[in-house]
Amino acid sequence: DTGVSQDPRHKITKRGQNVTFRCDPISEHNRLYWYRQTLGQGPEFLTYFQNEAQLEKSRLLSDRFSAERPKGSFSTLEIQRTEQGDSAMYLCASSTGTSGGWETQYFGPGTRLLVL
Amino acid sequence: AQTVTQSQPEMSVQEAETVTLSCTYDTSESDYYLFWYKQPPSRQMILVIRQEAYKQQNATENRFSVNFQKAAKSFSLKISDSQLGDAAMYFCAYRRGTSGSRLTFGEGTQLTVNP
Repeated sequence: DTGVSQDPRHKITKRGQNVTFRCDPISEHNRLYWYRQTLGQGPEFLTYFQNEAQLEKSRLLSDRFSAERPKGSFSTLEIQRTEQGDSAMYLCASSTGTSGGWETQYFGPGTRLLVL
Repeated sequence: AQTVTQSQPEMSVQEAETVTLSCTYDTSESDYYLFWYKQPPSRQMILVIRQEAYKQQNATENRFSVNFQKAAKSFSLKISDSQLGDAAMYFCAYRRGTSGSRLTFGEGTQLTVNP
C-alpha cells in the first residue's frame, strides 16, 4: 500500500496560466475526492468520482476548473486562466466504497499552488 | 447544509498531560459519521479516530478518545499522555451516512505540545 500520491507537490505559476495536477489513489480504491485548503482553514470539497464517473461537483468548482478520471484510476484537476485567489493547497483523497456507507477517506500530501 | 465548528483556534498542552479539543456540528440527518484528522506541519492529513452516529459508545484508539454527545451535537477529542509528535493541526469532520459523501471540515485547532 503506497498511499495516495499527488504530483507536483508545489507549483508556482503566473496569473492567467493553466495548471494541471495529478492524483494517484490507493490502488483498490474506486472513489476519489478533490478538496481545496486555504491557509489556516479546513479543506473544502471540490468534486468526487466513483470509478470514472464524476458524481458531484461543488459550487466552488467554477467553469475554469475541470477534473477527470478517465480510466477510473488516476485523476487530473486542471485550472484554466489561474487567478491569485486560486492559490491554495489542493488535496486528493481516495476511499473504497462499501454498501453500508462506512468508508474512510485517505488523503494525499497535496499540491500547493501559488499564483503570482 | 451541514456545518462543523471548532471554537479553539489554538491549544497547548504539556508533554504527558491530557488535552481536549472541542467540536460541534449542525445537521438534520440521523445517519452520519464523525472524524478527527491530524495534519502535521507540511505533512499529509491522517485519520486519528472515527465515530458512527448510531453508536452510543465512544470510540477509542490508544491514547485518543472521543466524547460524542449526539443530542448536543458535540464531538470532542481527548488526547491522553500527550507526546511531542501529537503537535499538529487537528480537524473535526462530518460525513453523511450515504456512501460517497463529501467530508465537511471545521476550521481546525492548532495543538502545541510543550516539553
